Amino acid sequence: NAGVTQTPKFQVLKTGQSMTLQCAQDMNHEYMSWYRQDPGMGLRLIHYSVGAGITDQGEVPNGYNVSRSTTEDFPLRLLSAAPSQTSVYFCASSYRGPSGANVLTFGAGSRLTVL
Amino acid sequence: KNEVEQSPQNLTAQEGEFITINCSYSVGISALHWLQQHPGGGIVSLFMLSSGKKKHGRLIATINIQEKHSSLHITASHPRDSAVYICAASSHENEKLTFGTGTRLTIIP
Repeated sequence: NAGVTQTPKFQVLKTGQSMTLQCAQDMNHEYMSWYRQDPGMGLRLIHYSVGAGITDQGEVPNGYNVSRSTTEDFPLRLLSAAPSQTSVYFCASSYRGPSGANVLTFGAGSRLTVL
Repeated sequence: KNEVEQSPQNLTAQEGEFITINCSYSVGISALHWLQQHPGGGIVSLFMLSSGKKKHGRLIATINIQEKHSSLHITASHPRDSAVYICAASSHENEKLTFGTGTRLTIIP
């Protein structure tokens, strides 16, 4: 199992450009999510999905779009990049374990710089 | 005010010392997660617990549901334990996580 695979690891964009961060998991997890990590702040939820065809907004969704056409893939699209979107992005997948709580696996992260 | 608070924010200790990192939460939870992030690295799940205590090697995690408090302990600390440790609370209602801001641990040889 590869776990959660995120690409690219690093990306530099100019303001106004668009791009997609890819996230794929091979564990058949139903729940997938995108977070951003900024200095001095905890991880913040951008968007999440509880299964194929279902997505919802998290805490900081503005400027980002997601789709979940398959269980495996959950891409994050930046529509028109802004310097405020400079951050490290993490994709995670999870499933409900026997205790009812979600068992987490994170991707390696994608460092995005918007100039 | 963040719903998940960690302390301390930074911790420096000598190799071999016993380490304690604390996490308090104000939300109703189904589980509390402890995560580890090495500099420039990804995030690894260390523990998920909903009651009592769990142990893995030199790491021990405890949770007190009544007091809404969890601790992560490291025995016989080693420089390779240097990392950011993050606690996160799983909501009762859904799969969403609320994260603490992390504790940066540095172990000096």
